[in-house]
Amino acid sequence: EDKVVQSPLSLVVHEGDTVTLNCSYEVTNFRSLLWYKQEKKAPTFLFMLTSSGIEKKSGRLSSILDKKELSSILNITATQTGDSAIYLCAVGDSGYALNFGKGTSLLVTP
Amino acid sequence: DGGITQSPKYLFRKEGQNVTLSCEQNLNHDAMYWYRQDPGQGLRLIYYSQIVNDFQKGDIAEGYSVSREKKESFPLTVTSAQKNPTAFYLCASSMASGFGELFFGEGSRLTVL
Repeated sequence: EDKVVQSPLSLVVHEGDTVTLNCSYEVTNFRSLLWYKQEKKAPTFLFMLTSSGIEKKSGRLSSILDKKELSSILNITATQTGDSAIYLCAVGDSGYALNFGKGTSLLVTP
Repeated sequence: DGGITQSPKYLFRKEGQNVTLSCEQNLNHDAMYWYRQDPGQGLRLIYYSQIVNDFQKGDIAEGYSVSREKKESFPLTVTSAQKNPTAFYLCASSMASGFGELFFGEGSRLTVL
């Protein structure tokens, strides 16, 4: 049973569309939820959400943590082809390593 | 510049051979990790280390081994006991283990011929 579930697993949109990626989790002693973007090789950090910081925004990207629903969303507005990537969600709990979901593969077509 | 360096970037191996993937960091992080990535599988934890001379198995440690003799280095050996070693391997480090931001290397792609 996966601790972190992302949906959808893949998504194709047109440039300019707005997309919402979902991440739900089931862990004990939640500490943090992180979003990463992976284009070809190394994942790059986007946001970290905690109980004291449930909403983050950077340019066209924003993310919200819903601790009641045990989930988070990542919104991308006015998508560009450069947004095409795998988006990874990871959750930190009482363990010593983050728990990753399977990722959402986003393709933005011109 | 501070960061994580993985080598080699690409590696081909014959069945039955052990290979070692290098991971070096100059971020002064205590915690280091090895993940395996297969298409559609996200990142799966192989081994992690919170401090020098100490490491623990992750979810898929069978067929792999590691060492942590120096703070900066965390090499991963893929042994011949690993049944399906063809994958993309990512090394990462963090200041705080378990919940803080992970910094990743560029990855090593291993192909078994």
